[in-house]
Amino acid sequence: DAGVTQSPTHLIKTRGQQVTLRCSPKSGHDTVSWYQQALGQGPQFIFQYYEEEERQRGNFPDRFSGHQFPNYSSELNVNALLLGDSALYLCASSLITAGDWNNEQFFGPGTRLTVL
Amino acid sequence: DAKTTQPNSMESNEEEPVHLPCNHSTISGTDYIHWYRQLPSQGPEYVIHGLTSNVNNRMASLAIAEDRKSSTLILHRATLRDAAVYYCILSFAGANNLFFGTGTRLTVIP
Repeated sequence: DAGVTQSPTHLIKTRGQQVTLRCSPKSGHDTVSWYQQALGQGPQFIFQYYEEEERQRGNFPDRFSGHQFPNYSSELNVNALLLGDSALYLCASSLITAGDWNNEQFFGPGTRLTVL
Repeated sequence: DAKTTQPNSMESNEEEPVHLPCNHSTISGTDYIHWYRQLPSQGPEYVIHGLTSNVNNRMASLAIAEDRKSSTLILHRATLRDAAVYYCILSFAGANNLFFGTGTRLTVIP
């Protein structure tokens, strides 16, 4: 089992550009969540996808959007990049069973985004 | 979102037990208590979670106060591999969105 995988590992963009990050969940998982982790801080929840729909959203602007595909993989898109968007972007997957939303989340290694 | 309070850092000697405290005085009746840890240069890793009763798994034990306003993560024998930032997180029963704080940085001394 490959666990949660993310691509790319590192990415450098300039202000104003757009970026797409990708995540493949752990085999058998149906829910994907995205987090942003600035240097020296704890991860901040961006949003969560389940059944191809955004189910929960944290305090992030509309520049941050996402998508979940039928195979449960997911993308995070960020438009009009700002310097402050430089961070480690983490994807986490989980399996919702019998309505239990509190199962453990498995995190990927993250994508390091640098905005110049 | 209900908040948690943790000490910024703690130290422990190798092979000794470690008790990591967490205060969550504004917890609601349906909030779950989660613990995750993050080793250097890695994504967070699930440790344990619970609602009301104490919980044990192969990694750790979670002791929850009777009024649920505080909890303690117990590592029974600290190893060097346990050096990490430990996050105590509350999540609403109907959601699985984790709101991390700044956590406790655990240093294990050989």
